[in-house]
Amino acid sequence: GAVVSQHPSRVICKSGTSVKIECRSLDFQATTMFWYRQFPKQSLMLMATSNEGSKATYEQGVEKDKFLINHASLTLSTLTVTSAHPEDSSFYICSATLRGMGYQETQYFGPGTRLLVL
Amino acid sequence: DAKTTQPPSMDCAEGRAANLPCNHSTISGNEYVYWYRQIHSQGPQYIIHGLKNNETNEMASLIITEDRKSSTLILPHATLRDTAVYYCIVRVVGFQKLVFGTGTRLLVSP
Repeated sequence: GAVVSQHPSRVICKSGTSVKIECRSLDFQATTMFWYRQFPKQSLMLMATSNEGSKATYEQGVEKDKFLINHASLTLSTLTVTSAHPEDSSFYICSATLRGMGYQETQYFGPGTRLLVL
Repeated sequence: DAKTTQPPSMDCAEGRAANLPCNHSTISGNEYVYWYRQIHSQGPQYIIHGLKNNETNEMASLIITEDRKSSTLILPHATLRDTAVYYCIVRVVGFQKLVFGTGTRLLVSP
């Protein structure tokens, strides 16, 4: 199957700082990349959808100025959590769809990034 | 909102088949059924998907009822590494969003 990587896998930062998380599709070009967030004992919640070269589409309730998404190429998307606070501590997961598969495009997920804001 | 209903938890003995049910009674003709699983502290892993025919791959089989209102994911010989939360998701053709419900927590025991 298609491989998606994330970096870093774990990050601890101080309140008020910004954190950047990278998502890469390693062996395929991704039509679209998605960012999810998962709090402990809860399911995944979609935060935003991003297409290469265009602005991301954010889900209702997700602050676009706080969670900056850049999709610079067909293999790389970044999520920057700006001015992070303890309530932003969560498991952030990206996914990518395989380009060219048409309506059966399947999402492949990265391993996730655990963010802890102190 | 998730459009599927799954039991919150199931147990299975190692080596036996695990049959995970999913109800999607409001599914429409242009919606696929997808199955993913999430092992603790990892990203979800794609398992299988189907429209109306039964599907099989190296990981599992997917059985979809004729009326498409329910489906069953079958892991033919469960191992301890199959312990995970399994998500059944319906997705509209051409619409890329996945909406995750609460899934079924499968525990495979020796």
